[in-house]
Amino acid sequence: AQKVTQAQTEISVVEKEDVTLDCVYETRDTTYYLFWYKQPPSGELVFLIRRNSFDEQNEISGRYSWNFQKSTSSFNFTITASQVVDSAVYFCALSGWGGGNKLTFGTGTQLKVEL
Amino acid sequence: GAGVSQSPSNKVTEKGKDVELRCDPISGHTALYWYRQSLGQGLEFLIYFQGNSAPDKSGLPSDRFSAERTGGSVSTLTIQRTQQEDSAVYLCASSRSGPYNEQFFGPGTRLTVL
Repeated sequence: AQKVTQAQTEISVVEKEDVTLDCVYETRDTTYYLFWYKQPPSGELVFLIRRNSFDEQNEISGRYSWNFQKSTSSFNFTITASQVVDSAVYFCALSGWGGGNKLTFGTGTQLKVEL
Repeated sequence: GAGVSQSPSNKVTEKGKDVELRCDPISGHTALYWYRQSLGQGLEFLIYFQGNSAPDKSGLPSDRFSAERTGGSVSTLTIQRTQQEDSAVYLCASSRSGPYNEQFFGPGTRLTVL
């Protein structure tokens, strides 16, 4: 069975602070894929990033960076110099051939960035 | 290029009525998924279509729920004899084939069962 845990239900930061969203996963698949999605107040889920299980290189995209560590089954997401527009619910998700292609989502982390 | 579209955006119905929710995937995407988002259950997988293969219905919560995909494109999710616990946002997503491809989500249909 696949499982994704996002222990942080809600995080509040002041603009320009750095913030890290945690994601821990469980899977029996040897090959699997991890995703982050953003759900702004408008409601539509927006794809942010995908990593596969055999590529542990960290990735940076502008103010966003992702740290994938197989040893701890974690795929954490850091926003540097947060902005009010980053306020949203962020979901970590997992898929794999054994799970039938569907995404298994974590419960999400509500990020509030205040001025 | 159009994204995934869903209709209606909002649906209010009375308990016991049947409802149909529609999804138009991105052109060329062979995989189509339905998910449900509710406060108590988070984001749950419901059903998955891939090309002409038999759908994966493992997430459907009861036999009141069914879905079909016509011509490998448009999909309809049907809920019969709606119950109040069916109230949720129903999300459709599409992707290219394979679990490594990102899924693109529609705006959802908010279903309220009175």
